[in-house]
Amino acid sequence: QVQLVESGGGVVQPGGSLTLSCAASKITFSNSAVHWVRQAPGKGLEWVAFFRSFSNNKYYADSVKGRFSVSIDSSTNTLLLHMSSLRAEDTAVYYCAKADYGATYYYIDVWGKGTSVTVSS
Amino acid sequence: NFVLTQPHSVSESPGKTAIISCTRSIGSIASNSVQWFQQRPGSSPTTLIYENDRRLSGVPDRFSGSIDSSSNSASLTISGLETEDEADYYCQSYGVSSWVFGGGTKLTVL
Repeated sequence: QVQLVESGGGVVQPGGSLTLSCAASKITFSNSAVHWVRQAPGKGLEWVAFFRSFSNNKYYADSVKGRFSVSIDSSTNTLLLHMSSLRAEDTAVYYCAKADYGATYYYIDVWGKGTSVTVSS
Repeated sequence: NFVLTQPHSVSESPGKTAIISCTRSIGSIASNSVQWFQQRPGSSPTTLIYENDRRLSGVPDRFSGSIDSSSNSASLTISGLETEDEADYYCQSYGVSSWVFGGGTKLTVL
């Protein structure tokens, strides 16, 4: 069973940077497609980014474009979300999610437990 | 980009059937597949339905998905409601290089 474990969350000041990590068991990120999805306190799910490593496709939500970037550390099989110029509205639980390919496109089939980010002075 | 609109809340009794709708604002609901997720209080989401009507392995057949082009919406139907079904439910689809979630529906089973 694939498991995803996020880490790296914490409290950061507005304008600051933070890098989140997602470790996986039983999959290799370099051969996978993955999403980052976030959930602000008391709010719904918001898609953040998609990364398909083998074709190097990266897509970002407009709300984070130019501030967030996704990468993979192949040596440790870790998915990274680099966040900069953080704002209060980036405060959320961030989930790493694995995507599988169905008949037409990718769908999320496995979710991590999330890591919490708070942007506050 | 398009918006997926869900009812804020749905309530139903144990043993009954609940239906949660998800209406697409722009473009055909049939143009891109719809997924459904369940999120119980204090937990991370789990995937129930993918590609409109396919259940993920291990999901009970009490959960089913469908799309209706006439109303441009997708629906999640939960039959034989159990108290453990009380959760938030989210629909999701995708556009050009982006993924869109509905606002979520809180299902109360009482």
